[in-house]
Amino acid sequence: DSGVTQTPKHLITATGQRVTLRCSPRSGDLSVYWYQQSLDQGLQFLIQYYNGEERAKGNILERFSAQQFPDLHSELNLSSLELGDSALYFCASSVAQAYNSPLHFGNGTRLTVT
Amino acid sequence: AQTVTQSQPEMSVQEAETVTLSCTYDTSESDYYLFWYKQPPSRQMILVIRQEAYKQQNATENRFSVNFQKAAKSFSLKISDSQLGDAAMYFCAYRSGRRTQGGSEKLVFGKGTKLTVNP
Repeated sequence: DSGVTQTPKHLITATGQRVTLRCSPRSGDLSVYWYQQSLDQGLQFLIQYYNGEERAKGNILERFSAQQFPDLHSELNLSSLELGDSALYFCASSVAQAYNSPLHFGNGTRLTVT
Repeated sequence: AQTVTQSQPEMSVQEAETVTLSCTYDTSESDYYLFWYKQPPSRQMILVIRQEAYKQQNATENRFSVNFQKAAKSFSLKISDSQLGDAAMYFCAYRSGRRTQGGSEKLVFGKGTKLTVNP
């Protein structure tokens, strides 16, 4: 158990809809990262938050947004969903500003857009 | 931007044998960290091993070891005495060690190598 909790585990929704994915980082971790893993693809970095503030942005679509709350949990909001948004979405957390520390990943949320 | 390339989409190995997974990366930085993650069918991402670029000694973790060639920008993973439980996707990842304003500790991943272990 990595200590990172993601909910829900599975999500099935229709095109055009909006969903929210939730992540609770490991106790004490200040950084939260979101990654997207599509079929046969590696993990694509979407966005990172550190202690409530956006720290880095990757290939995140404008239809997607995220935030980190004062209790350090994070939410990834996906709107106007398209079939191509179907993927496994991972949240990870890490110790703040420790470059040799690994990312600890949650078990992911499997999003299916029909 | 840094990139990570895993040139072997799939590999197979016989149980108890040794297999090496390849990874190359492109960077202009001298300070960075490299990681190998394993993703079994359960889809959980599990850290296998990490390497600091400033260390010349190759990292080892039980049956897992790396061959880090900094000049060649190569970071291969060797799995010895392969076990059925080693079957998984393996991802190589890079992290910048440079602390710049607004820098990120994010990992950049390769596309992965699917390892099959044959009994």
